[in-house]
Amino acid sequence: NAGVMQNPRHLVRRRGQEARLRCSPMKGHSHVYWYRQLPEEGLKFMVYLQKENIIDESGMPKERFSAEFPKEGPSILRIQQVVRGDSAAYFCASSHRQGRDTGELFFGEGSRLTVL
Amino acid sequence: ELKVEQNPLFLSMQEGKNYTIYCNYSTTSDRLYWYRQDPGKSLESLFVLLSNGAVKQEGRLMASLDTKARLSTLHITAAVHDLSATYFCAGTYGGATNKLIFGTGTLLAVQP
Repeated sequence: NAGVMQNPRHLVRRRGQEARLRCSPMKGHSHVYWYRQLPEEGLKFMVYLQKENIIDESGMPKERFSAEFPKEGPSILRIQQVVRGDSAAYFCASSHRQGRDTGELFFGEGSRLTVL
Repeated sequence: ELKVEQNPLFLSMQEGKNYTIYCNYSTTSDRLYWYRQDPGKSLESLFVLLSNGAVKQEGRLMASLDTKARLSTLHITAAVHDLSATYFCAGTYGGATNKLIFGTGTLLAVQP
């Protein structure tokens, strides 16, 4: 059972370009979370999605950032017109939350975005 | 809004010593998580604490939860170099979202 898969692991973009980060949740998981980690900081919640629905996007910047989790395929975090401040590690996590389980999140290896 | 604070932010300790990392949170949290992160790596789940008085142990690490004090601790016994990493605690609102709110992390450096 493969874990949470993220790609690319490393991405370099110039200011103004677009960045697309992909996340395939663990098999059987239908809940996906995106977190951002700035250097030497903790993880900050960005968005929570279920298949075809955005449930909570309270941590997403109002502009340039969007996320989707289509019926088929991976979840995608899209950053348009990147700026240097977007340089960070972006982690995806998935969970299978039903009934009385712990709702534990399993994290991917992260995608490290560098904006030149 | 849930806020999570950890202390210390940085901990340098010698092998064989004991120490505790503290995690305070501001409002009711359904559960409390501890994660470990090695440099450049993802987060590894260590413990999930579900109720007041919960205590879990794995090897040299033991985590506990006091919901009345809104405090969780991660106790390290007889530290070894392999435990060097950053440790995060995280609380959750639970409910429909179950999003985690992370503390700032504690960088643990175990010296030989």
